[in-house]
Amino acid sequence: DTEVTQTPKHLVMGMTNKKSLKCEQHMGHRAMYWYKQKAKKPPELMFVYSYEKLSINESVPSRFSPECPNSSLLNLHLHALQPEDSALYLCASSQVERDTGELFFGEGSRLTVL
Amino acid sequence: AQTVTQSQPEMSVQEAETVTLSCTYDTSESDYYLFWYKQPPSRQMILVIRQEAYKQQNATENRFSVNFQKAAKSFSLKISDSQLGDAAMYFCAYRSPYSGAGSYQLTFGKGTKLSVIP
Repeated sequence: DTEVTQTPKHLVMGMTNKKSLKCEQHMGHRAMYWYKQKAKKPPELMFVYSYEKLSINESVPSRFSPECPNSSLLNLHLHALQPEDSALYLCASSQVERDTGELFFGEGSRLTVL
Repeated sequence: AQTVTQSQPEMSVQEAETVTLSCTYDTSESDYYLFWYKQPPSRQMILVIRQEAYKQQNATENRFSVNFQKAAKSFSLKISDSQLGDAAMYFCAYRSPYSGAGSYQLTFGKGTKLSVIP
C-alpha cells in the first residue's frame, strides 16, 4: 500500500461551521504533513508531525487545528474559516528512518468557504 | 534560506518530441535532495524523479532524466517522447538533509505548466 488517502475530496462550509479533514496512510511513515495550495501556486507548508508530535507550525492561524491521533492518521480541524482559506489542502507522509527523501502526497481535499 | 526558481511559467511540446524544463536553486548546503513533482489536473502530486546532491550521476526514470549541475545550482528535467499524459504542472523542489526534528521541509518552485499538443 503506497497510498495517502484524504477525505473528503470536496468540502463546502460556511464561516461559522466546524469541519474536519482526514488523512490516512499505512506505509509506516512517521512524518506527516499538511500543505495548503492555492490555484496555480506551489504548496505551502502548514504543519509537520513527527512521531505523532507537532514539530513544525508555520505560523498558521488558530482557526486551523491539527491533530495526529496515531501514526497512521492525521486530521485538520477547521473552525470559523474565512473565504480566503478556500484552497486545496494536501496531506503528505514520509519515512524518518531509511530516508529516501520522498514525500508521498494524497489527492487533496478541495475546500470552499462561503 | 533556500530558494527554488522555475523561470518558465508555461511550456508546450508536440507529442513524441522532447522538452526540457528548467530549475535553479540557491543553497549554502553541500548535501541535499532535489525533486521533480508532477501535478496533473487530478490534483495528486506525484514524484517524477529524485536526485541526491552527493551523486554525480544524473538520475533517470524511463523517459524522464535530469541534468544536475551542482556548481551552477541547476537541475533541469528532460522529458523524451512526450505523451498526452505528461500534460501537468511540474514543480521543482529542494529538501535539506535530515533536520534532526524527524521531519523534512520541501521548498518548491512556482511551477511550470506543460501542455502536450497532439
